[in-house]
Amino acid sequence: KNEVEQSPQNLTAQEGEFITINCSYSVGISALHWLQQHPGGGIVSLFMLSSGKKKHGRLIATINIQEKHSSLHITASHPRDSAVYICAVLNSGGSNYKLTFGKGTLLTVNP
Amino acid sequence: DSGVTQTPKHLITATGQRVTLRCSPRSGDLSVYWYQQSLDQGLQFLIQYYNGEERAKGNILERFSAQQFPDLHSELNLSSLELGDSALYFCASQESPGANVLTFGAGSRLTVL
Repeated sequence: KNEVEQSPQNLTAQEGEFITINCSYSVGISALHWLQQHPGGGIVSLFMLSSGKKKHGRLIATINIQEKHSSLHITASHPRDSAVYICAVLNSGGSNYKLTFGKGTLLTVNP
Repeated sequence: DSGVTQTPKHLITATGQRVTLRCSPRSGDLSVYWYQQSLDQGLQFLIQYYNGEERAKGNILERFSAQQFPDLHSELNLSSLELGDSALYFCASQESPGANVLTFGAGSRLTVL
């Protein structure tokens, strides 16, 4: 079993829909990243969370440390949101910054 | 442009060869990380440097090595290449480990024939 599990693996939505991508992890962590990877490969870090909730534009990320679960929400989805979304956890602190990655969720938003 | 520069963007080579991938971190970032992304394994952490010193190692093969130079750029050396080493190699940088902003380069796509 992977340390980081994402669901769903694939998600197709219509433009304007509310999207939720889930990430569960099995170890104690000190932080969690949500990453976005568009076709062609580039990776962008959307959020880093250690507790609570963060919002940036139409993107919202939440984390529940006790339940070992995080969600990424996209409101009013748009075709340009089509990408792979990857959850990555940091289970060590201090100067050792070793991320463990989920397999990613492929999101396709149709116009 | 993310501010993290990786070269080359694409590289095609043969089994048994050696290649060097280069990464220049974002200005002001002292931490550099290398990751490998393959179709079957997904993204995997390889190695971390902070201000010239190795800080953490992940699933990095003995055939691979890396270093961070005094000007903070980093190089990942891959030797005795095998077909299975074909992958995207990403570099990322942070001001310091745990800083809010983690910035990725565009990646180097290695194809081993």
